[in-house]
Formats: sequence, structure tokens, C-alpha cells
Amino acid sequence: GAGVSQSPSNKVTEKGKDVELRCDPISGHTALYWYRQRLGQGLEFLIYFQGNSAPDKSGLPSDRFSAERTGESVSTLTIQRTQQEDSAVYLCASSPATSEQFFGPGTRLTVL
Amino acid sequence: LAKTTQPISMDSYEGQEVNITCSHNNIATNDYITWYQQFPSQGPRFIIQGYKTKVTNEVASLFIPADRKSSTLSLPRVSLSDTAVYYCLVGRNDYKLSFGAGTTVTVRA
Repeated sequence: GAGVSQSPSNKVTEKGKDVELRCDPISGHTALYWYRQRLGQGLEFLIYFQGNSAPDKSGLPSDRFSAERTGESVSTLTIQRTQQEDSAVYLCASSPATSEQFFGPGTRLTVL
Repeated sequence: LAKTTQPISMDSYEGQEVNITCSHNNIATNDYITWYQQFPSQGPRFIIQGYKTKVTNEVASLFIPADRKSSTLSLPRVSLSDTAVYYCLVGRNDYKLSFGAGTTVTVRA
């Protein structure tokens, strides 16, 4: 079956613009995660959705970052007023209730 | 989340066994030990998970001593395609993961 998909695969934007990144999880997976990975570094947790529970937003680096999820399907990560330090690969992962995480290919964001 | 420590990099040759040890001194009773593999320009991929003793699958083996304060991922007979970053994570399955810098394994011909 289909894995986790993310779009766009690459996004180049100008400093100060807003961007929206999309994640389509594996059907039936109740949990969804967003991570950020800067060049040459490990993954940085951003936000976690689990079913209808309130999301864990503790990893969002500033109020310019927000994310939404519609039920147990698509999620969007929005970055407002982008800054150059936001340049990174943004990874989405989905998971059944208590199991391994399945990652998408990521969106490479470049802020000029 | 339990903090993990693993080597920054390891070099090997094709056909050799690669063993990566991860330290996690403050692992909690409910924590599992999970290893992920990440190739360049891809998201991480689950390799193996264990709680105690030894776990083996078609890709790797995971050795966990009785005190669970460390674990060793063993990759048998590596090939060039095993060149990747390997992450050791400790925590509950149903919650956010803490990825460190991982171990960059380079396999040479």
C-alpha cells in the first residue's frame, strides 16, 4: 500500500513569506508527527497528533509555526513570516496507536 | 525521554559485521529501544526494536544486557548499500521520539 507522502518535495521561498507543507499519512494510522532536520543533524520533534486528543505542540520553536490535522488524515504545517533559520527538511511520520513510525520523504524548505 | 549516546561515525568494509553500541543509562521501565536507519535525502526507516535480551530480524540483531543501560545493533555482512545514519532511540512507542545525531556508518569496497 501507499506510504506517507509529503508535498511539495522542495520549496524555495523568500524571507518573510508564509509556507504551507502537507502530509498525507498512511490510512488508519492514528498518530502523526512532524519533525525538522537541519543539514547534518538529527531530527527535532515539532508536534504530535494522536486521534482526537489535543496535539502536543511542545516542540514548535516559535508562534510562527502551527499545524493542523483533519481527523486522522491530512496534516498541514504552516510557517508564517519565514526566516532563513527555518531552512531545513521537514519530515512527517505516521504510526498506528502504539508502534513504529513510518516516515515520508520530507519537504526541503529553503528560505532565501 | 532517556538520553542516548552513540558514536558519531564508524567505518567498515563490505562483508564485515558492524556493531554500534548505544548508551542509555536512565532508561525507564516502560521504555523500548528502537533503531532507525536513514539514507541521504530520505526519511528514517525502522530497523528493529527490543525491550530486553536479544531480538533478531532479517536486517539486524539487537543485543540488550540485563541492566538495559546499553544496547548494541549488529549488522551482519554489510554491503555498500548499508551506508547510512543509524539512530538509537529510547522511549515509549506511542509518543514523540528523540533523535540524536546518530552514527554515520560508511561501508567501503
